[in-house]
Amino acid sequence: AQSVTQPDARVTVSEGASLQLRCKYSSSVTPYLFWYVQYPRQGLQLLLKYYSGDPVVQGVNGFEAEFSKSNSSFHLRKASVHWSDSAVYFCAVSSGANTGKLTFGHGTILRVHP
Amino acid sequence: DPKIIQKPKYLVAVTGSEKILICEQYLGHNAMYWYRQSAKKPLEFMFSYSYQKLMDNQTASSRFQPQSSKKNHLDLQITALKPDDSATYFCASSLPGTSAETLYFGSGTRLTVL
Repeated sequence: AQSVTQPDARVTVSEGASLQLRCKYSSSVTPYLFWYVQYPRQGLQLLLKYYSGDPVVQGVNGFEAEFSKSNSSFHLRKASVHWSDSAVYFCAVSSGANTGKLTFGHGTILRVHP
Repeated sequence: DPKIIQKPKYLVAVTGSEKILICEQYLGHNAMYWYRQSAKKPLEFMFSYSYQKLMDNQTASSRFQPQSSKKNHLDLQITALKPDDSATYFCASSLPGTSAETLYFGSGTRLTVL
């Protein structure tokens, strides 16, 4: 069984500040890891994904995430946030069995003060 | 233009009634899915279809029936509606095989059962 924990339900930062959104996962197999973002009144959009290789993966809009097997984490980062980054961010894990079955965290609501 | 269209965006139903949630995707994908996001629960996998065939069903109730009339359609019929069915239902799609975990989501149908 797999699970994802996003310990921060809400995060508020000022525009231009750096950001880290935390994600911890549990998986009995080597996981495939994802970050999705949901803007108001829209569907989820993929920010980035990690399968293997370099533990730091780059995504869209300046986001990156770092995989840590020892910490079972996949934290999302951005060096300088913009007010338009305000959204809900979801971390997800899959077994990589090509089933399209992802296990999501509860999400973190990010608010960026302009 | 949205590539995955879900209709309606909002739906109010009475207990015991039946509703159909519509999903069409124009990404040329052959795998389609339904996910559900209930209040205070993370996004949960419900069904997966590949080439119009049911691949996985994680719903415990037969009241939820996916219907695929065309390869780019995956509707969701819900019968004998209950208040606990109130949720936002997301349709998603992907390429099958090794890209199956890269999901593209619609903007959801928010269902309220009174």
